[in-house]
Amino acid sequence: EADIYQTPRYLVIGTGKKITLECSQTMGHDKMYWYQQDPGMELHLIHYSYGVNSTEKGDLSSESTVSRIRTEHFPLTLESARPSHTSQYLCASSQGHSYEQYFGPGTRLTVT
Amino acid sequence: AQKVTQAQTEISVVEKEDVTLDCVYETRDTTYYLFWYKQPPSGELVFLIRRNSFDEQNEISGRYSWNFQKSTSSFNFTITASQVVDSAVYFCALSEFNQAGTALIFGKGTTLSVSS
Repeated sequence: EADIYQTPRYLVIGTGKKITLECSQTMGHDKMYWYQQDPGMELHLIHYSYGVNSTEKGDLSSESTVSRIRTEHFPLTLESARPSHTSQYLCASSQGHSYEQYFGPGTRLTVT
Repeated sequence: AQKVTQAQTEISVVEKEDVTLDCVYETRDTTYYLFWYKQPPSGELVFLIRRNSFDEQNEISGRYSWNFQKSTSSFNFTITASQVVDSAVYFCALSEFNQAGTALIFGKGTTLSVSS
């Protein structure tokens, strides 16, 4: 079972602010993912990474950006937060061909 | 295109009832993986099971059991003798074998409420 951490768990921020959502995993998994989930809705992939210095956009268009400088760390950044960014953001990781993804606790973001 | 359908939006049962959550999937590939995840009110997704397309054997884990039928493209999940702690949103998901590490395609989830 993977250990994957996200901070902050909850964030309320004003429009126009720059924010970074942190995600770290301690299992050495090579693949990491960011999903966006609106209340009562399914998850949509917004970013993923196959390894260090590899990042790709997911199926759902997002104004956020990500980086993967270290295997264990996959932060997500919003340069200028807007109310439409209000959502839950879930980070996940997986190893090789195991396919199952292990999720962090999520960050609930509210932009006022 | 890949698609996962969970037709049941919400299910309410009383403790000790058995409940089955339905999942129907669409894929053009012959090799793929299916998953079930549980999302309790705290928000994190908990991995429950993975099944590959080659293995149609049903699986039982405690009060949980899964029925995979390729002929009907279904991967249903049954909870026997439900408990209040089973209350959560349950997601079925699909991943293609040839796209290792790409996103899981999730269904919209089924909210299960178990009352005492």
